[in-house]
Amino acid sequence: DAKTTQPPSMDCAEGRAANLPCNHSTISGNEYVYWYRQIHSQGPQYIIHGLKNNETNEMASLIITEDRKSSTLILPHATLRDTAVYYCIVRGRTQGGSEKLVFGKGTKLTVNP
Amino acid sequence: DTAVSQTPKYLVTQMGNDKSIKCEQNLGHDTMYWYKQDSKKFLKIMFSYNNKELIINETVPNRFSPKSPDKAHLNLHINSLELGDSAVYFCASSQGVRGPNEKLFFGSGTQLSVL
Repeated sequence: DAKTTQPPSMDCAEGRAANLPCNHSTISGNEYVYWYRQIHSQGPQYIIHGLKNNETNEMASLIITEDRKSSTLILPHATLRDTAVYYCIVRGRTQGGSEKLVFGKGTKLTVNP
Repeated sequence: DTAVSQTPKYLVTQMGNDKSIKCEQNLGHDTMYWYKQDSKKFLKIMFSYNNKELIINETVPNRFSPKSPDKAHLNLHINSLELGDSAVYFCASSQGVRGPNEKLFFGSGTQLSVL
């Protein structure tokens, strides 16, 4: 019951910017967009999150459209170590009303030398 | 120091056995989780505990019983293991439950193989 749509895979050249898109057209006004990534055989790793404004940290930038129906994660200078599955997540609710993160299929990003 | 550590990393066992996976976090977080990642790589939440209290139970079979002796530990006990239980199980923790800064920190996973 993921609320996001991402391309299944993308390629990027090492040193170039990687732009990963995500559609979340049913997002509600108080829901945040989170990005995590999972490098092979490791646990998921938090990258960034945002509500309305664009955000930047040491790992990436997050661009959210004005209508909040889509966003883009930007890795400004991709390295081989950035090869991973990237998950765009809108924080949803369990049947009991508690909030949870629902992981979709993600985008498999391959950074090529 | 590993923030979220879980043991064992690999677990191979026979159908019908009972096994446990342990998880500990040293981040001082109030909330801990168990996620299951199946062979198709879907990552699904199973349980969540906040200050030792169960707050999320995502219709997991009652063969799975989480136990939180204190807020730094959340162990997962599985009775009568079935083939379909084979997966990678991830433990995670976060500062709270509902705040906007709910960043989850994950362990490195336990690969469970039921033969």
